Amino acid sequence: DAKTTQPNSMESNEEEPVHLPCNHSTISGTDYIHWYRQLPSQGPEYVIHGLTSNVNNRMASLAIAEDRKSSTLILHRATLRDAAVYYCILRVGTGANNLFFGTGTRLTVIP
Amino acid sequence: DSGVTQTPKHLITATGQRVTLRCSPRSGDLSVYWYQQSLDQGLQFLIHYYNGEERAKGNILERFSAQQFPDLHSELNLSSLELGDSALYFCASSRAGGWETQYFGPGTRLLVL
Repeated sequence: DAKTTQPNSMESNEEEPVHLPCNHSTISGTDYIHWYRQLPSQGPEYVIHGLTSNVNNRMASLAIAEDRKSSTLILHRATLRDAAVYYCILRVGTGANNLFFGTGTRLTVIP
Repeated sequence: DSGVTQTPKHLITATGQRVTLRCSPRSGDLSVYWYQQSLDQGLQFLIHYYNGEERAKGNILERFSAQQFPDLHSELNLSSLELGDSALYFCASSRAGGWETQYFGPGTRLLVL
């Protein structure tokens, strides 16, 4: 399985930006980087994904390093509702259509 | 609300028993995925069905099986249950069989006593 490394936990103050890092040094050229999050007592939900260029959507931004060996999920203004476990996942280019979740980063948002 | 429904929400049973978990995908989605989330193993992919056919298998035990019916709902059957099978079981669906966004249901919490 393609490997990602994330910090176990992070804290952020409410209304401040949050940068969640992910290392994926073994990424290959066709692998997409996906982010999902899991709110307490819920199933995971899609956040964002990208290949090479930075991506923005209504939930977050994804910044991908030039060598693609790392990426950062950016929440522009953390709210209490953003407290969740965030998973950085590589879609292996020719692999089956399933998600390999690591341990993720538990984000705590402090009011 | 993701549009994916799972029943039952909670299930308590005894070792050695058999249970069936049910999943209804979002309207129009052809793919169904099953995942298991336990405290020690985290979220693990079990199996993927696309339009009634098995597409991929992950860490699914031989005691577990699944199927997807013509109306696209899916069932995960767990037999000869062991204490270690206690976990949250999530179903997800996606539009086709590729790498579209997966939408997860609320899960079924299984407790084996």
